[in-house]
Amino acid sequence: DAKTTQPPSMDCAEGRAANLPCNHSTISGNEYVYWYRQIHSQGPQYIIHGLKNNETNEMASLIITEDRKSSTLILPHATLRDTAVYYCIVRVGLAAGNKLTFGGGTRVLVKP
Amino acid sequence: GAVVSQHPSRVICKSGTSVKIECRSLDFQATTMFWYRQFPKQSLMLMATSNEGSKATYEQGVEKDKFLINHASLTLSTLTVTSAHPEDSSFYICSASSPDRVNTEAFFGQGTRLTVV
Repeated sequence: DAKTTQPPSMDCAEGRAANLPCNHSTISGNEYVYWYRQIHSQGPQYIIHGLKNNETNEMASLIITEDRKSSTLILPHATLRDTAVYYCIVRVGLAAGNKLTFGGGTRVLVKP
Repeated sequence: GAVVSQHPSRVICKSGTSVKIECRSLDFQATTMFWYRQFPKQSLMLMATSNEGSKATYEQGVEKDKFLINHASLTLSTLTVTSAHPEDSSFYICSASSPDRVNTEAFFGQGTRLTVV
């Protein structure tokens, strides 16, 4: 699976949009971009995933560049409960047997 | 959404004893489950892939005789830490994906914090 690069940490203000970048310059054509987050002492939580089109759900939006070498996760209105470590993961296909390999992630602190 | 349940959430054991952690998929059948370990302030590290009805596949550096994995049914995988030592103290997390779902994102258990004293 392609490696990803994320900033180690970032702060954002409560109520503002949080934009989390991720570089995956070696991504292959059949690899998807997944985002998970982990709140302290809990298991990771799925947020969103995409292949090449932008995606939006009730939690976030995912913007993938045209060359697919980078992406941005957008939390539209950050709340204190969004404080967590956010992981950008690139994974082959959607098959259930494909493992997720976690990098360092971005530690996001939402401040009042 | 799909639920993966892990038990226990916390366990303290004496050095030299064994501890069993259960991972259940509550509303779907999981042919594959994954076990991760996470040390403080570090990322999740994949330990092994658990396959229903067959032997687990271990990542490099993970001792298969120390971390016994059993996946006897499509809804249950267990991880047994044998002869635990203080250095095995960690946060253990399982995950599972349902092959029947269109978006086969992995669902994670709530984790088990193991403390070996």
